Amino acid sequence: EVQLVESGGGVVQPGGSLRLSCAASGFTFDDYAMHWVRQAPGKGLEWVSLISGDGGSTYYADSVKGRFTISRDNSKNSLYLQMNSLRTEDTALYYCAKDTSDYGGNPRNYFDYWGQGTLVTVSS
Amino acid sequence: SYELTQPPSVSVSPGQTASITCSGDKLGDKYAFWYQQKPGQSPVVVIYQDTKRPSGIPERFSGSNSGNTATLTISGTQAVDEADYYCQAWDSSTYVVFGGGTKLTVL
Repeated sequence: EVQLVESGGGVVQPGGSLRLSCAASGFTFDDYAMHWVRQAPGKGLEWVSLISGDGGSTYYADSVKGRFTISRDNSKNSLYLQMNSLRTEDTALYYCAKDTSDYGGNPRNYFDYWGQGTLVTVSS
Repeated sequence: SYELTQPPSVSVSPGQTASITCSGDKLGDKYAFWYQQKPGQSPVVVIYQDTKRPSGIPERFSGSNSGNTATLTISGTQAVDEADYYCQAWDSSTYVVFGGGTKLTVL
């Protein structure tokens, strides 16, 4: 059974940093690209970032580019999101989601499994 | 940047057919995907690559995509289908794009 368990969320002041983690199990982790998707309270889904299965390719939404860094440790079956220079508009539930292939940049791909999310609140 | 537009809400009576649209420039040239999200739960894919249903998704869910519009159709809508629905596509410049979401109410 595929499981994705996020952690690391919390309350942080504007300008602060936070590192999210996603522990994966039930599939061969390095065979699949992984994503972070966020959802502000009462709002829709917003894609944040993507990393290929081998970690060699990364992509970011314009809203987080230069502030967030996605990474993975395939030896630990773990995905990460380092978030710096946080803003109030980054407040959201952050989901990790599994892609259907190792590359992630294929228009045929989609998210076949999602975690339960970890809540990040940016507030003074 | 590429954008997908959905109606904020759609209402349907039980047993009737619900149609949720998703509009984007030349969306028919891309693949469209649909996710269902119930309150307090994570999204679940209900349609992928325009028309395909994952295993476990009821046959009453179907999809189409042509021109500038993709459509999610739920035939014989049930109360259990009440949820938010999001369309999604891939764009070479924006990468993954989601529509704003449609709240389906089964009256």
